[in-house]
Amino acid sequence: GQNIDQPTEMTATEGAIVQINCTYQTSGFNGLFWYQQHAGEAPTFLSYNVLDGLEEKGRFSSFLSRSKGYSYLLLKELQMKDSASYLCAVRDRDYKLSFGAGTTVTVRA
Amino acid sequence: IAGITQAPTSQILAAGRRMTLRCTQDMRHNAMYWYRQDLGLGLRLIHYSNTAGTTGKGEVPDGYSVSRANTDDFPLTLASAVPSQTSVYFCASSPGFGGGETQYFGPGTRLLVL
Repeated sequence: GQNIDQPTEMTATEGAIVQINCTYQTSGFNGLFWYQQHAGEAPTFLSYNVLDGLEEKGRFSSFLSRSKGYSYLLLKELQMKDSASYLCAVRDRDYKLSFGAGTTVTVRA
Repeated sequence: IAGITQAPTSQILAAGRRMTLRCTQDMRHNAMYWYRQDLGLGLRLIHYSNTAGTTGKGEVPDGYSVSRANTDDFPLTLASAVPSQTSVYFCASSPGFGGGETQYFGPGTRLLVL
């Protein structure tokens, strides 16, 4: 099974940078995903890491260290619309996803 | 517009009643999933199907059943609802289940069991 930890809440100012950490323990690692979920809506895909290193996608970047069981999602140039929950999910050797409880990011003007 | 639809959007259900949540996708995805999302617990997998005709149990399958008669539909049935099944239910699908294949989520069904 999986044990996935991420902070419950984070607050940042518009234009700033926020880093959301995710640590995991897994019986078989097969990729890590980050999703964004606005209140009352469905999760939407942000990024995927399977090898160590940084994946950059516009204002969002995601990093993975498999040996440390660690990932982070970096949100740059924060905008008000980035206020949402961010979900870390680990895929196991059976290709099933396990999700963390999510980190609620509040962007203030 | 291609995607996943779920019905109903929301439902209030008396305990003990039977309920089927519907999920349909038109993307011809092979794999489909049902999750429940509860405050503080995140998304938890109930059942999944890697391809039409096959299903499997997830992390929290008790009290739920699924079927996958064809590629597009993946209904979730609560045989006899209990208050602890109050939750938001999300259906998801993915083209396959390897590589960078992400899951696409439906809009959710909000279920209240009284």
